[in-house]
Amino acid sequence: GAGVSQSPRYKVTKRGQDVTLRCDPISSHATLYWYQQALGQGPEFLTYFNYEAQPDKSGLPSDRFSAERPEGSISTLTIQRTEQRDSAMYRCASSFGRGETQYFGPGTRLLVL
Amino acid sequence: DAKTTQPNSMESNEEEPVHLPCNHSTISGTDYIHWYRQLPSQGPEYVIHGLTSNVNNRMASLAIAEDRKSSTLILHRATLRDAAVYYCILRSDNYGQNFVFGPGTRLSVLP
Repeated sequence: GAGVSQSPRYKVTKRGQDVTLRCDPISSHATLYWYQQALGQGPEFLTYFNYEAQPDKSGLPSDRFSAERPEGSISTLTIQRTEQRDSAMYRCASSFGRGETQYFGPGTRLLVL
Repeated sequence: DAKTTQPNSMESNEEEPVHLPCNHSTISGTDYIHWYRQLPSQGPEYVIHGLTSNVNNRMASLAIAEDRKSSTLILHRATLRDAAVYYCILRSDNYGQNFVFGPGTRLSVLP
């Protein structure tokens, strides 16, 4: 595609519900990253994929967070049993390869009530 | 991950040059210096990167100190559209490293 897209753009949910966020990377890009960005802060790394492999999950805050990229293309980030502290902007980025320039999507703003 | 320090905020007048500093005294020989910026309500976007030599592209210039312990992003003529948070990031050639975004420098451009 022309750029990285994410959906939904906004998500409001109640505490305790599960949410799934979607990222559609640039089609030729092998590497896909997920970041969490709190208001007024820089993005914080969550996890990344190289095609469908997920070599690094070290940034995921807890086992309630998981991510998938089963066919090496679209990725989903799922947060189970959401908590208010999960409220943030979730950004996806993709790059041609590991360490290459990252192209960011518009983000999904999650609000947990 | 090697750490960078940047001023929290800077101001510039429109159409004047802007020099955004970054200190990275613990940089290693394999670390690339990357700059990204984040315009209001948008995702970060790539600006420039370099290893040892100064770099120029259509957006900016990157001046790297000889000892590589600091670098400066130069916007030659600031426009209102350049108002953003600018992040200086070290990226190792080691595939185990990830991008670490600090708080960055918030640049305000005055008309």
